[in-house]
Amino acid sequence: NAGVTQTPKFRVLKTGQSMTLLCAQDMNHEYMYWYRQDPGMGLRLIHYSVGEGTTAKGEVPDGYNVSRLKKQNFLLGLESAAPSQTSVYFCATRRVGGRGETQYFGPGTRLLVL
Amino acid sequence: AQSVAQPEDQVNVAEGNPLTVKCTYSVSGNPYLFWYVQYPNRGLQFLLKYITGDNLVKGSYGFEAEFNKSQTSFHLKKPSALVSDSALYFCAVRDSLYNQGGKLIFGQGTELSVKP
Repeated sequence: NAGVTQTPKFRVLKTGQSMTLLCAQDMNHEYMYWYRQDPGMGLRLIHYSVGEGTTAKGEVPDGYNVSRLKKQNFLLGLESAAPSQTSVYFCATRRVGGRGETQYFGPGTRLLVL
Repeated sequence: AQSVAQPEDQVNVAEGNPLTVKCTYSVSGNPYLFWYVQYPNRGLQFLLKYITGDNLVKGSYGFEAEFNKSQTSFHLKKPSALVSDSALYFCAVRDSLYNQGGKLIFGQGTELSVKP
């Protein structure tokens, strides 16, 4: 099993360009999350989904959009990239339930916006 | 508001010595606590968690953590550090299920450096 995969691994954008980050999971988890990691700030939630066809805003949603058309995929879009969106982006899934509760993370996407 | 604090940005340890990475938390209700490790240019790997039960939790790679309810702490420990343990460590607490899908709230991370 691949677990959680992310594409691309690294991308350089110019200000104003758009792109889509893809997260895929093979664990059949309902919950999926997009976090961004910035130095000294830990990880912060951008958007999340509690199941196929649903999405909701997290702590720092501005400038991002998401879609969950299929249970296994969670897409993060940047319509008009800004330098402030330079970050490392992590997708995660959540195994729900009591003692099994855990979140599993993908390898990350490094994004540089010039 | 729920929060996690890792008071040390960096911890330096000699190989073979015990290590501790500190974490304190503030939550309402029973805490779900986690430790993750991040090696350079890699994703977060799950180390261990406290949900309920014994206060001493054992995890991957010989790590353990002690849950202390009165001190609201969940310190990560290892009896004998290895150079390969050098990495960035994150403590996290699960938010309320009714707040943003039970997201994880992370500390800012502690850089562990183990010297030979």
